[in-house]
Amino acid sequence: GIQVEQSPPDLILQEGANSTLRCNFSDSVNNLQWFHQNPWGQLINLFYIPSGTKQNGRLSATTVATERYSLLYISSSQTTDSGVYFCAVVGGGTSYGKLTFGQGTILTVHP
Amino acid sequence: DTEVTQTPKHLVMGMTNKKSLKCEQHMGHRAMYWYKQKAKKPPELMFVYSYEKLSINESVPSRFSPECPNSSLLNLHLHALQPEDSALYLCASSQGKELAFPYNEQFFGPGTRLTVL
Repeated sequence: GIQVEQSPPDLILQEGANSTLRCNFSDSVNNLQWFHQNPWGQLINLFYIPSGTKQNGRLSATTVATERYSLLYISSSQTTDSGVYFCAVVGGGTSYGKLTFGQGTILTVHP
Repeated sequence: DTEVTQTPKHLVMGMTNKKSLKCEQHMGHRAMYWYKQKAKKPPELMFVYSYEKLSINESVPSRFSPECPNSSLLNLHLHALQPEDSALYLCASSQGKELAFPYNEQFFGPGTRLTVL
């Protein structure tokens, strides 16, 4: 099946700093989503971005499908940005919507 | 409204108990999913329902029994679970329109945190 690798595994920032999270995938994808999992376990949709660039406030994401990677940018980080960030994909050969998740990036933002 | 609800939030059960998890969405989605997430791990797919029919069972043990009574509801019946089944159980839904199925964005509920004693 498709492999998804995220980096870095852990990231510690001071409030106000910028960061870039990376997601590499091993095959073509039909779907790519970025999620933020809060401390209570809720997966919050950040971006649906199988290709191209999107922005939402302080967050933006870019997926270069031909090179099999996606980037999530967080600017002016806040303590509420802390949590786990997951990249998840549906592989190109899949006939149903099985999301395969990366291992996640644990982000800690200190005041 | 992009909301998926799950009940209960927390569940503690013994290995001989029978319990059920419930998931509901009112977005008109026709695909619904169960994922399981162990501590410090990513979610993993268990089941996929499309148009109320089971499409995929990811080799899940029979002590987990899914049910989709209608297009808005998804249940997960639990029986004779083991302590290693303790996890966060997440429900998701997507539009699930036939040709676009793999492309659809998935929306997750808040999860049920299950502890098996």
